[in-house]
Amino acid sequence: QVHLVQSGAEVKRPGASVKVSCQASGYSFSTFAIHWVRQAPGHVFEWMGWVNTANGFTKYAHQFQGRVTFTKDTSANTAYMDLGSLTSEDGAVYYCAKAGRGYWFDAWGQGTLVTVSS
Amino acid sequence: QSVLTQPPSVSGAPGQRVTIACTGTSSNIGAGYDVHWYQHLPGAAPKLLISYNNNRPSGVPDRFSASKSGASGSLTISGLQAEDEADYYCQSYDSSLNGAYVFGSGTKVTVL
Repeated sequence: QVHLVQSGAEVKRPGASVKVSCQASGYSFSTFAIHWVRQAPGHVFEWMGWVNTANGFTKYAHQFQGRVTFTKDTSANTAYMDLGSLTSEDGAVYYCAKAGRGYWFDAWGQGTLVTVSS
Repeated sequence: QSVLTQPPSVSGAPGQRVTIACTGTSSNIGAGYDVHWYQHLPGAAPKLLISYNNNRPSGVPDRFSASKSGASGSLTISGLQAEDEADYYCQSYDSSLNGAYVFGSGTKVTVL
């Protein structure tokens, strides 16, 4: 069974960076991309981009380009999302999601709450 | 603001049928991209309900079904049950803005 387990909640100051991990199990990690999606309180899901878990290629949603970095560690079956220059508007639950065989997500992590506060 | 539009809420009594609409545009659903549906309970991981228009992953009850027509999709829950009370989101792919995965605004289903 596919499981995605994310790192714990974070509290960051404005201007800081946050790094969230996502450890996968139950399938061949390098076969499917990992996407990152966030949901701010009272807001909808916002897609951030994806990382190719085989070769590390990344694609970022235009609103995050230059501020977010996705990486992966194949030996640890883990993907990472690093978001910098945090503002209060980045306070949200961040999810990793496993790509399906098309343009969908067939498994999600439990979410990581990121709070940005001075 | 969401790219895909859903009604904020729908409700029904146990056993009834409810339908959630998801309206897109010519750059996403109207361009031929599939509509996928997720169920989200507070504090839990979102769960894929239906992919590729009307394919249910193993374990998803067959009372959940979906369809698509033009630039819109819909999710129907037939025989509503108490455990179906949750938030439901549609999702598709959008070819504008260099390609992006887009979500609906979400619909809260309440079982009366």
